[in-house]
Amino acid sequence: AQSVTQLDSQVPVFEEAPVELRCNYSSSVSVYLFWYVQYPNQGLQLLLKYLSGSTLVKGINGFEAEFNKSQTSFHLRKPSVHISDTAEYFCAVTVIQGAQKLVFGQGTRLTINP
Amino acid sequence: EAGVAQSPRYKIIEKRQSVAFWCNPISGHATLYWYQQILGQGPKLLIQFQNNGVVDDSQLPKDRFSAERLKGVDSTLKIQPAKLEDSAVYLCASSLEILSVTFFGQGTRLTVV
Repeated sequence: AQSVTQLDSQVPVFEEAPVELRCNYSSSVSVYLFWYVQYPNQGLQLLLKYLSGSTLVKGINGFEAEFNKSQTSFHLRKPSVHISDTAEYFCAVTVIQGAQKLVFGQGTRLTINP
Repeated sequence: EAGVAQSPRYKIIEKRQSVAFWCNPISGHATLYWYQQILGQGPKLLIQFQNNGVVDDSQLPKDRFSAERLKGVDSTLKIQPAKLEDSAVYLCASSLEILSVTFFGQGTRLTVV
């Protein structure tokens, strides 16, 4: 079975600073990878996804992520954050073949300080 | 396009009581999911429907949880009887087909006291 580990439960950064949210996954077969964002009292919204092709994936709100198969990682980055990026971020994985279902990590709470 | 609708938004019940949640997916979406999100954790899949049929309910506590999808559209999730550890946000989600982009509702926050 696949699993996801988000290495940081909380990440505080200052506004306009760069940020990286780390995600590692475990799976014996090929996977699709996703990042979702959850703003306070709202449902999850897809930020970006990796299905195939270029390992650098660009998403909404200036976020991007890089798939590294050898390190089984899918870290999320943004070069300059804004106050409005304060939210919970979830990495998720699913297998390509077989029973497809999203398996989520524990989440990383990103707090942007002025 | 309208999003995934869920009701109620909040519910407080006593342990051993029953509760039901309702979900209306995006029109035309064949796949519907129910997730449980306990505070401080990521969402965990409870059950997945493809049209009327159940695709995966391996993590659904079937002794107390049940779910159905009426005519392949709306869905209800029921807990009977509720336990304190059922306190969580219950998220409904839908997609056109399995693993196309999944859209989430705002969730129902359940507190069991």
